Amino acid sequence: NAGVTQTPKFRVLKTGQSMTLLCAQDMNHEYMYWYRQDPGMGLRLIHYSVGEGTTAKGEVPDGYNVSRLKKQNFLLGLESAAPSQTSVYFCASSYLTGAQETQYFGPGTRLLVL
Amino acid sequence: DAKTTQPPSMDCAEGRAANLPCNHSTISGNEYVYWYRQIHSQGPQYIIHGLKNNETNEMASLIITEDRKSSTLILPHATLRDTAVYYCIVSYSNTGNQFYFGTGTSLTVIP
Repeated sequence: NAGVTQTPKFRVLKTGQSMTLLCAQDMNHEYMYWYRQDPGMGLRLIHYSVGEGTTAKGEVPDGYNVSRLKKQNFLLGLESAAPSQTSVYFCASSYLTGAQETQYFGPGTRLLVL
Repeated sequence: DAKTTQPPSMDCAEGRAANLPCNHSTISGNEYVYWYRQIHSQGPQYIIHGLKNNETNEMASLIITEDRKSSTLILPHATLRDTAVYYCIVSYSNTGNQFYFGTGTSLTVIP
């Protein structure tokens, strides 16, 4: 099992450019998440999905879009990148046992917007 | 909204027990307490979670007070590889979760 993988690992963008970050999981998890982490800060939830074809907004959704067309993949899009979106992006997937949840995280994508 | 309060940093001597406190005075009756850690910019790693009772696994022990307003994560024999930021999270889920990570406690294990 590869667990949760993220592509790319690192990317530099110019202001106004667009890109898509890919998250893939091979654990058959229903739930998937996108977080961002700024220096010295904890993780903040951008968007999440509770199943294929569903998405919902998290704490900081502005400037991002997501799609969950396949259960194993969760895409995060930046339509017009801004320097404020320079951050490390983490994807996670999880399953529920009753009301208990364990999230498994990917290694992160480091994004620099110039 | 911050649901937990943790000290920003702690030190622990290698081989000794590391006791990381967390205050969650507004916890609801059905919310679980979760602990994750993040080692040097890697993705966070699940450690342990509990509801009311104390829990132990191969990584750590979790002690939750009887009133559930605080908890302590115990790493029984800290090693240098335990140097990380530790996050205490309280949450309840029945349709997927929103974890609030906060800024955590930066634990440094000293040789």
